[in-house]
Amino acid sequence: SQQGEEDPQALSIQEGENATMNCSYKTSINNLQWYRQNSGRGLVHLILIRSNEREKHSGRLRVTLDTSKKSSSLLITASRAADTASYFCATDEGNTGKLIFGQGTTLQVKP
Amino acid sequence: NAGVMQNPRHLVRRRGQEARLRCSPVKGHSHVYWYRQLPEEGLKFMVYLQKENIIDESGMPKERFSAEFPKEGPSILRIQQVVRGDSAAYFCASSPTGMATEAFFGQGTRLTVV
Repeated sequence: SQQGEEDPQALSIQEGENATMNCSYKTSINNLQWYRQNSGRGLVHLILIRSNEREKHSGRLRVTLDTSKKSSSLLITASRAADTASYFCATDEGNTGKLIFGQGTTLQVKP
Repeated sequence: NAGVMQNPRHLVRRRGQEARLRCSPVKGHSHVYWYRQLPEEGLKFMVYLQKENIIDESGMPKERFSAEFPKEGPSILRIQQVVRGDSAAYFCASSPTGMATEAFFGQGTRLTVV
């Protein structure tokens, strides 16, 4: 079953603007991770937030987690053309190490 | 210190042929996961292996697909008698402990069935 659902599916913004992507999930989690994937490439790990954390920052990235609503958001501030990529949230399932990925948000940042 | 290495990066097979995808985990990692990504979709879990053992194959199609992770050598994902619907990107991840927080992903193998 699909654990993570993301919205919007696609987002187009101008360079310098902020981009917000949302992820919802169904079952309880230990942690939630966000990944970036450039077109035709592999996954790059961006940030991990644990279930007992509410907010985390890493450079221009800000992630929030609301376990009561089973949702997370990824904010990219002051976006750059190089941020153009697909962004996926992933949750763990139990303690197996298996990740459940969302469908992803495709972000286009126009120069 | 090499990361997860997958080869080939691109693979073209005709319908009915066999596809073999290889994954060399990070040195010292004994846990390997395979995921499949169909076009315009997220990654879907296929199988979890730990040296010489299949731990969880709940995401593997029942027929034509098999995976192994021998004591020596890379993990292999094998697809027999490929069909057009098998065209996808196949990603491998490895972990030293089996924890999702410590997984490293390879660059993937893009399989095209013609």
